[in-house]
Amino acid sequence: EIVLTQSPGTLSLSPGERATLSCRASQSVSSSYLAWYQQKPGQAPRLLIYGASSRATGIPDRFSGSGSGTDFTLTITRLEPEDFAVYYCQQYGSSPRTFGQGTKVEIK
Amino acid sequence: QVQLVQSGAEVKKPGASVKVSCKASGYTFSSYYMHWVRQAPGQGLEWMGIINPSGDSTSYAQKFQGRVTMTRDTSTSTVYMELSSLRSEDTAVYYCARGTARLGAFDIWGQGTMVTVSS
Repeated sequence: EIVLTQSPGTLSLSPGERATLSCRASQSVSSSYLAWYQQKPGQAPRLLIYGASSRATGIPDRFSGSGSGTDFTLTITRLEPEDFAVYYCQQYGSSPRTFGQGTKVEIK
Repeated sequence: QVQLVQSGAEVKKPGASVKVSCKASGYTFSSYYMHWVRQAPGQGLEWMGIINPSGDSTSYAQKFQGRVTMTRDTSTSTVYMELSSLRSEDTAVYYCARGTARLGAFDIWGQGTMVTVSS
């Protein structure tokens, strides 16, 4: 099973600032089958990034993903008020599919 | 529009079973894999398993082997997840999610179904 470790656990930032979230895998994620999801309280997760760096439909270009192998990054260039949420990385290239424990981006 | 609509909240006693439904609309149901993911209160996301487009193949997380059954009904565009021998630790929100491919990200999610296990 591939274990995903996200850091930091919480990121305290102000609107307009840049957010950098990390996701590290216990073993290489095949073919960059790595996704990022955003979840707000009381809502289902929403797909942001797939294939490590491709934005899902309708996702603003302030969200970008990068990385390969075991190290991946989600960057939000300028935080908007609606971006404060919990973010999860997920690998879907092998079973079981696994999620990281999440990074909460909170308003400073 | 493309959506997944799940059945309503459930309250069950320990040892009972629960069956959650997820009705798809707005796309070709028989072309996509479907996953189930759960989230305990205040916790992260936990993958439970996957069912293939035709419904004749499933793969479950080892943790749920023997307790979970996923099925789908093409005639009603509905997938089901049944979890048996419920215990308090199964209290969670259960989500269905569409997979973009067999090895694909989860692009559409249901709204979630709260299952509470309590005596």
